[in-house]
Amino acid sequence: EDQVTQSPEALRLQEGESSSLNCSYTVSGLRGLFWYRQDPGKGPEFLFTLYSAGEEKEKERLKATLTKKESFLHITAPKPEDSATYLCAVQVQTSGSRLTFGEGTQLTVNP
Amino acid sequence: DVKVTQSSRYLVKRTGEKVFLECVQDMDHENMFWYRQDPGLGLRLIYFSYDVKMKEKGDIPEGYSVSREKKERFSLILESASTNQTSMYLCASSFEGADTQYFGPGTRLTVL
Repeated sequence: EDQVTQSPEALRLQEGESSSLNCSYTVSGLRGLFWYRQDPGKGPEFLFTLYSAGEEKEKERLKATLTKKESFLHITAPKPEDSATYLCAVQVQTSGSRLTFGEGTQLTVNP
Repeated sequence: DVKVTQSSRYLVKRTGEKVFLECVQDMDHENMFWYRQDPGLGLRLIYFSYDVKMKEKGDIPEGYSVSREKKERFSLILESASTNQTSMYLCASSFEGADTQYFGPGTRLTVL
């Protein structure tokens, strides 16, 4: 069974304090790994897709990396507006377009 | 810009009522999905569709049905709503063969 585990469940940072969120996965044949941002009461917003180990993608203060077992979302010098829940999802080769989601990491950045 | 819209942001229904949730996308996507999101359980796939009039069960289809009569519209139907169907419902869409799913704003459904 495909599994996606995100840690920590919740993270509090001070503005400017860099950190990383983790997404570890156990799947049979990874096709892609996705990161989404979700604000309270809203739908997830797409951030990144990673396809192969060693791949990295960046957007503003966010950088996503991928290994064969996990992905990290690095947040550099975060601002209060980065506060949100960050979701990780995987797509496997045998499941077509279906995604399996982790439970998310709730990030709070204090000013 | 991809736009996925859902018919209601908030909905309150009574036990036993028939409930329709509608989703419309304007990007000519072939694939459409319905999820529910609950604290501690994450997003779970209810049903999805690869084409008009096509549907496939997701992980938790019990108590739900779907309809896709037009490419841009995907409806989720609760035949007889129950309190355990109180949840946030999210619709998503993607191109055939493409990986990225784009989500709508969600419908917060409360069943009393």
